[in-house]
Amino acid sequence: DTGVSQDPRHKITKRGQNVTFRCDPISEHNRLYWYRQTLGQGPEFLTYFQNEAQLEKSRLLSDRFSAERPKGSFSTLEIQRTEQGDSAMYLCASSLWDRDRGNEQFFGPGTRLTVL
Amino acid sequence: AQSVTQLDSQVPVFEEAPVELRCNYSSSVSVYLFWYVQYPNQGLQLLLKYLSGSTLVESINGFEAEFNKSQTSFHLRKPSVHISDTAEYFCAVRTIIQGAQKLVFGQGTRLTINP
Repeated sequence: DTGVSQDPRHKITKRGQNVTFRCDPISEHNRLYWYRQTLGQGPEFLTYFQNEAQLEKSRLLSDRFSAERPKGSFSTLEIQRTEQGDSAMYLCASSLWDRDRGNEQFFGPGTRLTVL
Repeated sequence: AQSVTQLDSQVPVFEEAPVELRCNYSSSVSVYLFWYVQYPNQGLQLLLKYLSGSTLVESINGFEAEFNKSQTSFHLRKPSVHISDTAEYFCAVRTIIQGAQKLVFGQGTRLTINP
């Protein structure tokens, strides 16, 4: 399967713990995105990378959140001191710059985080 | 800033009936428009998109959407639905500005097909 993959698919943690999620984009894609989706809502943009550079961050990304893409391939999203409000589905997407295709973003299956 | 409103959170229809899922957007600049579908326990998949040209765009499984600039709408339609169309549908926009990358999504519409 050559799609976007995310690991783990599910994570249950206790409030105050740190968690880290991984995203592996489609191999030739140079852009990678993180979104968060809460129950009954559409995905909300968190941040995006072009290669290893983090070019945009949403105000939703508080200082407890950090994302990296060290070699321009896979990315990690870490949440420190988790809170119950962090419970959500965390989605990763990737794209290849292509003006004619509108930089179509391909989404992974998501990591569902539950903070107890 | 952009925003997307999907007017119906849930739409129940009978199999083989027509359906329309409504989407309106707000933006001060031109946008690209997308419909994504999320089947149960699966990730988001692109259903169709409007970038330029003909305002009517179609998907391979019989859905179509029409971009209406004056009404800032991008409603999704299908003349005859199937049980397999049961899913959540998300409308999204992205601004046509160099460097703009984020998708702004609506709240989603859950389409339920009854036999």
